[in-house]
Amino acid sequence: SAVISQKPSRDICQRGTSLTIQCQVDSQVTMMFWYRQQPGQSLTLIATANQGSEATYESGFVIDKFPISRPNLTFSTLTVSNMSPEDSSIYLCSVDWDMEEEKLFFGSGTQLSVL
Amino acid sequence: RKEVEQDPGPFNVPEGATVAFNCTYSNSASQSFFWYRQDCRKEPKLLMSVYSSGNEDGRFTAQLNRASQYISLLIRDSKLSDSATYLCVVYNFNKFYFGSGTKLNVKP
Repeated sequence: SAVISQKPSRDICQRGTSLTIQCQVDSQVTMMFWYRQQPGQSLTLIATANQGSEATYESGFVIDKFPISRPNLTFSTLTVSNMSPEDSSIYLCSVDWDMEEEKLFFGSGTQLSVL
Repeated sequence: RKEVEQDPGPFNVPEGATVAFNCTYSNSASQSFFWYRQDCRKEPKLLMSVYSSGNEDGRFTAQLNRASQYISLLIRDSKLSDSATYLCVVYNFNKFYFGSGTKLNVKP
């Protein structure tokens, strides 16, 4: 499986600021995803990070709030912009490791608290 | 209707018990199916893929019923370390859909 490094692992931020989360994979992967998991909830897909083009956002998520970069096949960033307490959540980077079949592997997550 | 539905539990069982979780999915064209395990404050980790023929990995058995569109996970001889949330995941059309998870508590 792919080794996925995500940082920061946690942060406490002030309302109105922005945080950029980085995700580095040890192998080239086609599909990278960003998920959010709010306390006690399951995972919600924010967007698919596409290499060389704009990310594909799910309903309820917009580029101005969650800009995503994907400069190459091993790296992506998610920015949470103009944060509010409602953005407090765990943010997870994941990759579709498709050497044999579609399988999803996750980074260790970023626990974000917004004051 | 949600893509994937699970009983949230919790399931509270004694050590050594056998426990089964079910999950249903709405899209009959779904292509792949998985069970993930998530420990508290950790990322989900792949437990096993699920195939129509059924597959077993030690104490864990997974089964897919395409006709009824449900997936099951059976855990035999439960251990304290099996306590976690188990997520049912369905893949179709380049997206993974997650159930809300079933919480399992194994008690001594």
